[in-house]
Amino acid sequence: QSALTQPASVSGSPGQSITISCTGTSSDVGTYNLVSWYQQHPGKVPKLMIYEGSKRPSGVSNRFSGSKSGNTASLTISGLQAEDEADYYCCSYVSSSTLVFGGGTKLTVL
Amino acid sequence: QVQLQESGPGLVKPSETLSLSCTVSGDSIINYYWSWIRQPPGKGLEWIGYIYYSGSTNYNPSLKSRVTMSIDTSKNQFSLKLSSVTAADTAVYYCARDRGDSSGWYAGAGRFDYWGQGTLVTVSS
Repeated sequence: QSALTQPASVSGSPGQSITISCTGTSSDVGTYNLVSWYQQHPGKVPKLMIYEGSKRPSGVSNRFSGSKSGNTASLTISGLQAEDEADYYCCSYVSSSTLVFGGGTKLTVL
Repeated sequence: QVQLQESGPGLVKPSETLSLSCTVSGDSIINYYWSWIRQPPGKGLEWIGYIYYSGSTNYNPSLKSRVTMSIDTSKNQFSLKLSSVTAADTAVYYCARDRGDSSGWYAGAGRFDYWGQGTLVTVSS
């Protein structure tokens, strides 16, 4: 199974909205609504931000939202804040009952 | 509060077997899927595999031939063994709880709600 494809980096100014894409195949993202997103600050443990495509765990800001179209899932962060600067990873269930991560996207808040 | 703690050697020689354990506190290990995930220095996350409390497992196809996971429900602990390691296996290794999907239909849905702090394992002679 190949890693999901994410842009290496995205950037935005405070208050703006950004979207991070996560492209898979019909064997993973395209078939299953089981994409999760993780935020990881340098030297820290990844934190679950979105699961099952668009659901937010308790305590996660509603500025974070998830969606999917075809084989591509997306994470949108609205009202960008300095604290959002981090690495973001998507993860998808795969038809073989395994899981695969994306390569990660570095978000820079300008 | 659920806590996970990895333990094991921080240095492993090439061709030997990497062995790590993850002890879970604050909740029972039963009824969840438990995964190992690794992250080479400066690189992204890689899912290694999961084990269910019943002992059923599923591994990343790229690592399957070298990975063995086990679980001890009496100790609330699960373990990872990775054989024939090379420098490419140098990474921070995390254990994590997979909450599963809302329907309960899918095994290991990638909903990792609790993680260990991670332990760096270096493969070097």
